[in-house]
Parts: sequence; C-alpha cells; structure tokens
Amino acid sequence: GQNIDQPTEMTATEGAIVQINCTYQTSGFNGLFWYQQHAGEAPTFLSYNVLDGLEEKGRFSSFLSRSKGYSYLLLKELQMKDSASYLCAVPGSGGSYIPTFGRGTSLIVHP
Amino acid sequence: GAVVSQHPSWVICKSGTSVKIECRSLDFQATTMFWYRQFPKQSLMLMATSNEGSKATYEQGVEKDKFLINHASLTLSTLTVTSAHPEDSSFYICSAPQGVQETQYFGPGTRLLVL
Repeated sequence: GQNIDQPTEMTATEGAIVQINCTYQTSGFNGLFWYQQHAGEAPTFLSYNVLDGLEEKGRFSSFLSRSKGYSYLLLKELQMKDSASYLCAVPGSGGSYIPTFGRGTSLIVHP
Repeated sequence: GAVVSQHPSWVICKSGTSVKIECRSLDFQATTMFWYRQFPKQSLMLMATSNEGSKATYEQGVEKDKFLINHASLTLSTLTVTSAHPEDSSFYICSAPQGVQETQYFGPGTRLLVL
C-alpha cells in the first residue's frame, strides 16, 4: 500500500519563507506531486518531482529525495493569498492506478 | 494545463430527490476519472474510480446503488446521487489524470446542499 504523512497545520508571516514537509511510503515510485487547495475550491497542480533534487518554479520550489522517501514544498516571499491547504500526492503503483493524497497541510499566512 | 469542468457548480435539492453531476475533460481524453467528496475542513475522500466502457470501482463504504457513476465517453463522467439526504450534503470533486506522469486535473467542484 501507499502512505503519505504531512503536518496538519503551519503558520507563517507574510514575506517569510516556509517549508512544508512530506514523507511517503510506496510499493513503487512514479513521482510525487504537490497541489494547492484554497478553502472552498478544488485542488490545483503545483509541481511534480520524479528525480532527486530541487525544482524551482517562481516563488514555489519542490524538493525530492527518493532514498529518504521525503519531499518538501518551499514557499518564498509569502503572500496572504498563499493561505491554503497543500496536498502531497503520489500516483498509483504496484498495479493500482489510484493516486494517494496526503491529508493536506493547512498553511495560515498572517500579516 | 489540462482543463476539467464540472456542472453544476452548486445545487440545492429536497431530501429524496436525485442529483446528477457532470465531469468533463475539455481538451484531453480520460479513460479514467476519479470522484471525491470533501466535508468542511477535512481531507479529500475518494469515492470511486470511473472507467470508460466498464463499471466504476467503488471504495469501501461507498454505496454503489446510491452513487451511480456512468462514464459515457472519453470526456464525460457523471455522478448521480440518488435519493439524496441531508447527510449527503458535501463538496463533490472530480479529477482526471493526464500525461505520462498522470497529473490529476480537478474539476472546480460541485457543492451539494440537501434540505
């Protein structure tokens, strides 16, 4: 089976940097996703990592270490609109095509 | 990125009625689509996997006779909540995988309120 663990909630200050961690266990690895979900809305795709290292995309970066089963999402120059839930996810593996989502990390950005 | 639409975006109905929600992939084909339900401040809960040309696969605890899924074409899946009750009130979201890495593209969601 597949399992994902991420913190439930984090708070940060506007303009700061925050790192949201995710650890995972999978029967086979086919990459790792990060999604953003604002309250009352559906999730939207942020990033995909399949190789080790840091992928930078504007203010958001995502890091992957396959040997450690670990990823993080790094948000720089935080803005109030970044307050949202951030979901770590892996695609299906081991014969299943059903993706597995973490429970999400609720990020609260305050002035 | 790929676009998935959902209709209606919100619906209010009386207890006992049936509600149909449509999920469409607008610019790509999807042989598989996923239906989720999400209660306020809770995580996504997978209800079922919709398969084009075959029966849907339901997660444990989800009543297949209550939540009817039809994957009519490579771009359309429908979820019908039959004989809806107030406890069915929730946010229903569909997603479709696209690309080699199977990025999930989500519809905007349907908010259902059963009175």
